Amino acid sequence: EVRLVESGGGLVQPGASLRVSCTASGFTARINSMSWVRQAPGKGLEWVSVVHSRGDTLYADSLKGRFTVSRDFSTNTLYLQMHSVRVDDTAVYYCSAWSDSHWFVHWGQGTLVSVSS
Amino acid sequence: QAVVTQEPSLTVSPGGTVTLTCGSSTGPVTTTHYPYWFQQKPGQAPRTLIYDTNNKHSWTPARFSGSLLGGKAALTLSGAQPDDEADYYCLLSYSGDPMYVLFGGGTKLTVL
Repeated sequence: EVRLVESGGGLVQPGASLRVSCTASGFTARINSMSWVRQAPGKGLEWVSVVHSRGDTLYADSLKGRFTVSRDFSTNTLYLQMHSVRVDDTAVYYCSAWSDSHWFVHWGQGTLVSVSS
Repeated sequence: QAVVTQEPSLTVSPGGTVTLTCGSSTGPVTTTHYPYWFQQKPGQAPRTLIYDTNNKHSWTPARFSGSLLGGKAALTLSGAQPDDEADYYCLLSYSGDPMYVLFGGGTKLTVL
């Protein structure tokens, strides 16, 4: 079993930067790809980005340029660096991981990022 | 960029059958969109029910099934239970350079 734990959320002011993390434990050798999905309060799910095992990354078009995803394979940690955050970036940020071509098998419980002055 | 559409809300009676659909603004949904279906209950993380149109995970209850129906992806719940009351999201994959995936807006399913 794979366990994912997100951290780093909190209250941040508009225009600031924030990094959230996701640490995987358990059968981490089976993890191929990891992804971020966010959910604004009372709203639906929004895919943010993905990092595959070879290091290649993909982003949602609307977030490209402000968000940077990275992964430390040695510590099984996924990061999301957010720059110039806006009020509408307020959301629970979920981490997801999978071991083969079938996406979003394992999910963390999420970390809340609140952007407000 | 594409838009993925779902019914905002549906109601099903206990023991009844309901079909949720997932459409794409770019045209008919096909197997090459690799449709996924997720269930999310209040205060919980999403859980993947269906992947690649009609494949189930080991934890997916047998009463859920995925298919393509009338140019859309479909999730059918047969024999609804009160515990199935939740939000359901579909996700479609769009090939290209770069490829991307999109969630639908979600369907709030009430079992009543």
